[in-house]
Amino acid sequence: RKEVEQDPGPFNVPEGATVAFNCTYSNSASQSFFWYRQDCRKEPKLLMSVYSSGNEDGRFTAQLNRASQYISLLIRDSKLSDSATYLCVVGNEKLTFGTGTRLTIIP
Amino acid sequence: SQTIHQWPATLVQPVGSPLSLECTVEGTSNPNLYWYRQAAGRGLQLLFYSVGIGQISSEVPQNLSASRPQDRQFILSSKKLLLSDSGFYLCAWRGLGGNQPQHFGDGTRLSIL
Repeated sequence: RKEVEQDPGPFNVPEGATVAFNCTYSNSASQSFFWYRQDCRKEPKLLMSVYSSGNEDGRFTAQLNRASQYISLLIRDSKLSDSATYLCVVGNEKLTFGTGTRLTIIP
Repeated sequence: SQTIHQWPATLVQPVGSPLSLECTVEGTSNPNLYWYRQAAGRGLQLLFYSVGIGQISSEVPQNLSASRPQDRQFILSSKKLLLSDSGFYLCAWRGLGGNQPQHFGDGTRLSIL
């Protein structure tokens, strides 16, 4: 089993829709969880940390389920600018990046 | 605030030539430092990480090496580049303490001819 696993997509979603991604991880001792976004030919940028109780940042909501070992990202009212690859990141001292889920928002 | 500088942005090198990519961090002390490679359309591959001056951990066997001569300087090198070394190289730093994210430099796009 991969350390961090994501559905590669692509997800093609109409503008204004809600989209959700899941990511599973194998190490139950993991303590740090993040979502990053990466635009084409650019470096990954931190989107948000994921906390045990779940957290929200504007249109973005992240959830952590330790029992099932997955984290999720929900994007509401999607914008064209949300088109990117979303990377799930899990770890402790060392972070492991998923291969990403590609999202395209369609006008 | 903390910043990370990575250069050059783009590099074209012939097979067999040497390589030196440099990364520096400002505004923080004793960061963890990382070198990643990303092949076209693929995920991030961790190459090296460092928790302090002169301390380098290698994640994958390869013809690349890394050095950390100063607290906030991380260098990626090769004596002889291979075609398979082409890719997008990213340097990142991470602060100490729990639940800290990594922050990436702008990356170097390396093409081997």
